[in-house]
Amino acid sequence: NAGVMQNPRHLVRRRGQEARLRCSPMKGHSHVYWYRQLPEEGLKFMVYLQKENIIDESGMPKERFSAEFPKEGPSILRIQQVVRGDSAAYFCASSLHRDASYEQYFGPGTRLTVT
Amino acid sequence: TQLLEQSPQFLSIQEGENLTVYCNSSSVFSSLQWYRQEPGEGPVLLVTVVTGGEVKKLKRLTFQFGDARKDSSLHITAAQPGDTGLYLCAGAPAGGTSYGKLTFGQGTILTVHP
Repeated sequence: NAGVMQNPRHLVRRRGQEARLRCSPMKGHSHVYWYRQLPEEGLKFMVYLQKENIIDESGMPKERFSAEFPKEGPSILRIQQVVRGDSAAYFCASSLHRDASYEQYFGPGTRLTVT
Repeated sequence: TQLLEQSPQFLSIQEGENLTVYCNSSSVFSSLQWYRQEPGEGPVLLVTVVTGGEVKKLKRLTFQFGDARKDSSLHITAAQPGDTGLYLCAGAPAGGTSYGKLTFGQGTILTVHP
């Protein structure tokens, strides 16, 4: 299965801890996007990355959140000092190249619960 | 800020009925995508429409992009219980440099009763 992979699928953290969410794009895809889906809300764009570059982080909260997509390995979304409001489903998507950036294929998501 | 209004929010119908879901905006999009999402899973891409007025068919599903590229519709003929799920529209910004920044509608929860 060469689909987008995310792990862990479920993550429980206590307030103040760090959460690390991982995403491996589809084979051959070099563009990665992160979205957040809060309860009762739609999917909201967070950040768009290419290998070793952040292209657009306009949807990312200014504090505690960061993302990277290193030359080797998966993309990481990192949330420091988590709070209850960070509880949500976080989805990663990938696309083949920039000109097809609208055709995004999503992973199964990571459900983050902050207790 | 681009917004996509999806309607209806909930739709409960009997097997065999037809239905239409709408996705509207005051903004122009370069393309519009329709996704279907099952509980506990990620959205699955159904179709992309790019040209104003474009119509695409996927078995019993018909997708249309408005002439002005501001709205879209999804029509399902003879709905089946297997069509039950959350349907999402998503628009890609027209022009500029906001590549990849999809704007999603709130979704339509469709339930098809046997």
